[in-house]
Amino acid sequence: KQEVTQIPAALSVPEGENLVLNCSFTDSAIYNLQWFRQDPGKGLTSLLLIQSSQREQTSGRLNASLDKSSGRSTLYIAASQPGDSATYLCAVRGGGGGSNYKLTFGKGTLLTVNP
Amino acid sequence: EPEVTQTPSHQVTQMGQEVILRCVPISNHLYFYWYRQILGQKVEFLVSFYNNEISEKSEIFDDQFSVERPDGSNFTLKIRSTKLEDSAMYFCASSERGTSGGPPSTDTQYFGPGTRLTVL
Repeated sequence: KQEVTQIPAALSVPEGENLVLNCSFTDSAIYNLQWFRQDPGKGLTSLLLIQSSQREQTSGRLNASLDKSSGRSTLYIAASQPGDSATYLCAVRGGGGGSNYKLTFGKGTLLTVNP
Repeated sequence: EPEVTQTPSHQVTQMGQEVILRCVPISNHLYFYWYRQILGQKVEFLVSFYNNEISEKSEIFDDQFSVERPDGSNFTLKIRSTKLEDSAMYFCASSERGTSGGPPSTDTQYFGPGTRLTVL
């Protein structure tokens, strides 16, 4: 069974700081990994998807890396802003034996960026 | 930018009643999904649907649940006899493809805003 863990559970930083969110998964036989943002009481906004054959993806101030063999991904946020405050979720597709379509989610990292 | 839409945004029902949650996936997408998130817990996969049939389902998706694509635009989740523990936020998602290896945008699962289901 695929398990996804995110560390830390919560993070509070001053505006302008660069930060790293961590995600680990137990089964490396994944198809891809997605990072999402969730605002309180809202839906999930996809930020980045990394295919299993890729090492990293970039979108604006966000950079996600993937080390499939060690079961790890990081999301790097540069020059954080108060508007980045949200819960960041990591999800993997595949792994856990026979799973093709479902995303398995971590519990998320609650990020607070203080002005 | 195309979005997944869901209705209603909030549904309140009595235990034992049937509910239907509705979703309109992104128009050129072929793969559809339902997930749920119980308050304070992880987002959990329920079911995936392709070519008018279920392609994968979780152990949560028992006989009380069913999905349907009644026409070319809607995708629905029916819960036949709701229980208190069905109270959760239900998310619909869609993707252009279901297999991986293409451009990230085609494999990305895009989520709707959710329907909050409250069972009393």
